[in-house]
Amino acid sequence: DIQMTQSPSSLSASVGDRVTITCQASHDISQCLNWYQQKSGKAPKLLIHEASDVETGVPARFSGSGSGTDFSFTISSLQPEDIATYYCQQCDDLPYTFGQGTKLEIK
Amino acid sequence: QVQLQQRGAGLLKPSETLSLTCAVFGGSFRDNYWSWLRQTPGKGLEWIGEISQGGSTNYNPSLQSRVALSVDPSKSQFSLTMTSVTAADTGVYYCAKAEGIFDIWGQGTLVAVSS
Repeated sequence: DIQMTQSPSSLSASVGDRVTITCQASHDISQCLNWYQQKSGKAPKLLIHEASDVETGVPARFSGSGSGTDFSFTISSLQPEDIATYYCQQCDDLPYTFGQGTKLEIK
Repeated sequence: QVQLQQRGAGLLKPSETLSLTCAVFGGSFRDNYWSWLRQTPGKGLEWIGEISQGGSTNYNPSLQSRVALSVDPSKSQFSLTMTSVTAADTGVYYCAKAEGIFDIWGQGTLVAVSS
């Protein structure tokens, strides 16, 4: 299985801050990397697919980049409604696997 | 806009069989793969398997011996069966649309395994 390692596991930031989460794959996955947002008690929501393609309707402050084994996810200006846990997921090989999540909190 | 509606029993005893069904509304059932995932305290988010409308399946090897997916295209539904559940299978189970990129999710079903 391809292992996905996210960091940090938790993050506290202020409204307006730029926030970056990283995700490292144990094998080259090209750009087959997706990012999800999960708010408390809800199903995950797809934000970004194929490393950098932002889903329709997702605010422009969310972005992603990377290829191969190293990826990043950025919120350019943190908003209160962004409080959630964020997950990366590789779609290059079966079984599909997720990172352990990054819990984002407001300072 | 595709919507997924899950149903199924959420309280099980060890060794029982978990059965969940996901109904697809508002979109094309036949053009997609359909997946089951779960979120457990022990393993986080975990992909269980996927099935096409024609019945082609792929499973997570870690669960393959206990899991079976089935599909009923006439009802736009797909189902998950997991045998011999234990406490480690306790968590929230989700159905989702698509093959590898999970863009639409069901509401989730809390499954608790307890004697």
